[in-house]
Amino acid sequence: AQKVTQAQTEISVVEKEDVTLDCVYETRDTTYYLFWYKQPPSGELVFLIRRNSFDEQNEISGRYSWNFQKSTSSFNFTITASQVVDSAVYFCALSEPSNSGYALNFGKGTSLLVTP
Amino acid sequence: DAGVIQSPRHEVTEMGQEVTLRCKPISGHNSLFWYRQTMMRGLELLIYFNNNVPIDDSGMPEDRFSAKMPNASFSTLKIQPSEPRDSAVYFCASSTGQGGYYEQYFGPGTRLTVT
Repeated sequence: AQKVTQAQTEISVVEKEDVTLDCVYETRDTTYYLFWYKQPPSGELVFLIRRNSFDEQNEISGRYSWNFQKSTSSFNFTITASQVVDSAVYFCALSEPSNSGYALNFGKGTSLLVTP
Repeated sequence: DAGVIQSPRHEVTEMGQEVTLRCKPISGHNSLFWYRQTMMRGLELLIYFNNNVPIDDSGMPEDRFSAKMPNASFSTLKIQPSEPRDSAVYFCASSTGQGGYYEQYFGPGTRLTVT
């Protein structure tokens, strides 16, 4: 069963628009960690953020912000005033003790295209 | 500081050939993960090492796949014999500790094409 669901397969926006990428997860562990990674066209995986299950405080980093809600098992990612350089595939991932070595369980990814 | 290093970056081989992918984790990291990325299955864990010991290889697709970590600075993933369905991008990642608190740093990946 898919533990991390990213329902949006592809999103296309025009530069300067705000965009939210959805992530819903499933776990029975009380301690777990959530991540977002970015994969630009060059192919590498770039770490964006880590959140532990006991910290529901939202976080903002520049144009990026994350909304963690345990009540809905969601960890959504918003890009404000999107730019062409934001075009990439974004992965949400879950790390839990019941998964080997806290290995990352990735969603299928959301491909974001930002056009000028 | 050097990140996770993987070689080769691209590999094209014929079906039936042996393929060896290499990974050098970040110095001081004691956990190492091999992931595979395909269009159909997305990113999936193949095997996980902690302190050079394989902890869980349940993600390895079949006996044609094997992985080793002879020391803290080197790991290999071998496919013998290779098949076209093994075509994928293989990522190596390392972290400083065992546990979700520790961020995993990914290498650039090896794009494998088996014809």
